[in-house]
Amino acid sequence: ETGVTQSPTHLIKTRGQQVTLRCSSQSGHNTVSWYQQALGQGPQFIFQYYREEENGRGNFPPRFSGLQFPNYSSELNVNALELDDSALYLCASSSVLVDGTFNSPLHFGNGTRLTVT
Amino acid sequence: GNSVTQMEGPVTLSEEAFLTINCTYTATGYPSLFWYVQYPGEGLQLLLKATKADDKGSNKGFEATYRKETTSFHLEKGSVQVSDSAVYFCALNNQGGKLIFGQGTELSVKP
Repeated sequence: ETGVTQSPTHLIKTRGQQVTLRCSSQSGHNTVSWYQQALGQGPQFIFQYYREEENGRGNFPPRFSGLQFPNYSSELNVNALELDDSALYLCASSSVLVDGTFNSPLHFGNGTRLTVT
Repeated sequence: GNSVTQMEGPVTLSEEAFLTINCTYTATGYPSLFWYVQYPGEGLQLLLKATKADDKGSNKGFEATYRKETTSFHLEKGSVQVSDSAVYFCALNNQGGKLIFGQGTELSVKP
């Protein structure tokens, strides 16, 4: 069973630039969620993707956007980077239950550490 | 809105000591509750979960009981090891598979 993989592991960008982070979901999972974890804080929900569409969003501005591909992998894009965007970005995959409800994301990747200077 | 509050860290214990990390929550309805662990330089790993009141989740010697009357889900372990040193996060899921996390509690176990 392949777990959740994220790339790159580390990234340094300059304020105002754009960045793309990538995630491959665990096999058998069709839903991907993204979380931002600032230093010393708990993860904050950014958004979730299911069937290639955004399915719920946290309190993040529109410059945070995403994609999900037919193979269930996903990208997180952040435009116009700000210093406060420096964080660990975590991807998690899950599945839809037989009754149509979403199961909690149980499988996280190791994250991408983004530093904005 | 929904929220999770954990006891502040860091918590420093000697090996074989008893561990309790407090977690309380505020939520509408009956959420599922989780403990995740994050080792240095790694992502989150699910440690244990409970989906309804009075359920006890357990794994690797850790336990937590879903207490609806006190809206709590405290994490306990009878005898900690150095390898348990990590950051522990309490979380709830109330809808749509979106987790709400506490701020985390750092545990340091000394030999």
